Amino acid sequence: KNEVEQSPQNLTAQEGEFITINCSYSVGISALHWLQQHPGGGIVSLFMLSSGKKKHGRLIATINIQEKHSSLHITASHPRDSAVYICAVNYGGSQGNLIFGKGTKLSVKP
Amino acid sequence: EPEVTQTPSHQVTQMGQEVILRCVPISNHLYFYWYRQILGQKVEFLVSFYNNEISEKSEIFDDQFSVERPDGSNFTLKIRSTKLEDSAMYFCASLQRGNNEQFFGPGTRLTVL
Repeated sequence: KNEVEQSPQNLTAQEGEFITINCSYSVGISALHWLQQHPGGGIVSLFMLSSGKKKHGRLIATINIQEKHSSLHITASHPRDSAVYICAVNYGGSQGNLIFGKGTKLSVKP
Repeated sequence: EPEVTQTPSHQVTQMGQEVILRCVPISNHLYFYWYRQILGQKVEFLVSFYNNEISEKSEIFDDQFSVERPDGSNFTLKIRSTKLEDSAMYFCASLQRGNNEQFFGPGTRLTVL
């Protein structure tokens, strides 16, 4: 069965801390996505990766295809980063549906 | 910036009633998806749609569900006879051909009483 596992489930950090969220998956994928879900429920795509590393502002996403593992890092965290961060993968082709992890709830305290 | 829109934002219905959830995908996108998220649980795939037909569906997407793209812009999800367990947030997403990044709508919260 294709599974996506995330850790930790919940994470509380102080403003300014460096944050890492991990994602592992069970079989080969065509792409991995990091998504952000705010309390209102809306989902925003942060990154799409098939190899290597991507950076956008204070966010960095890496993927190790051999290890079937990805990490999302947030540098200099801020209370506005508080959200649920979701890892999702495409197992099929590039137009395939997404399989989601359960998400990591991040709370950044001022 | 183009975005996926969904209406209504919140729908309350009685068990057994039919509901239609509406989505307007980004105009040049060709692949369309419905996902749902039961409160406190992970997002789950329901169905994908391309070239006016279903390309893939999950075991959740049973005979009570149907999708349509009636007019080339709207993409609808119909639930024929709602059950209590259909209460969830329903997300529409669209994808431009050759690009893996799916763009999500804001969701419709369906409450079945």
